[in-house]
Amino acid sequence: EAQVTQNPRYLITVTGKKLTVTCSQNMNHEYMSWYRQDPGLGLRQIYYSMNVEVTDKGDVPEGYKVSRKEKRNFPLILESPSPNQTSLYFCASSSQGPEDEKLFFGSGTQLSVL
Amino acid sequence: RKEVEQDPGPFNVPEGATVAFNCTYSNSASQSFFWYRQDCRKEPKLLMSVYSSGNEDGRFTAQLNRASQYISLLIRDSKLSDSATYLCVVNMAGGGADGLTFGKGTHLIIQP
Repeated sequence: EAQVTQNPRYLITVTGKKLTVTCSQNMNHEYMSWYRQDPGLGLRQIYYSMNVEVTDKGDVPEGYKVSRKEKRNFPLILESPSPNQTSLYFCASSSQGPEDEKLFFGSGTQLSVL
Repeated sequence: RKEVEQDPGPFNVPEGATVAFNCTYSNSASQSFFWYRQDCRKEPKLLMSVYSSGNEDGRFTAQLNRASQYISLLIRDSKLSDSATYLCVVNMAGGGADGLTFGKGTHLIIQP
């Protein structure tokens, strides 16, 4: 089954404790992206990757890191989480063709930073 | 600033009614348009793409008005299961998923 898998689904942590949210897709998609969603603000892009070893900042990259060492994986790293990073996070992928911009989303990660 | 604007609602609509909502976009060069559906705290899922000629999928009709820079979604014979947030998504960069800009969504509540 074609899917984007995110883990964990829920995460509660404390300020400053490094964490990683994993994202993996099995569709051989070139494009992957991370979003955060907050009430009243909608989906905002954090980072995206056009292909292996190519990553770029989105609209709200501060406090986040990503890596794309393999095509299928695109982990989101919070080196020193802060309470303002409490949010619902989504990973997404796409085949990147101009006529195929459909995004496939993971199930989301609800992060709470205390 | 490139923007996609939606009325956040909520739209409270009786079951069986027809409901329509619009989404405006700021970039006249936008290439492609989509409606996504998102259930509470779940991932967004593509509902339908919006073509220049308009398109229909069952009870759902999407239309594009390039002159006025808006897209619309019409739902006929609304069902309780249509209750969700509908996200307008516009590609403002000329192609590829990288240029996708999301509206904040319109919250629809279908009441029995």
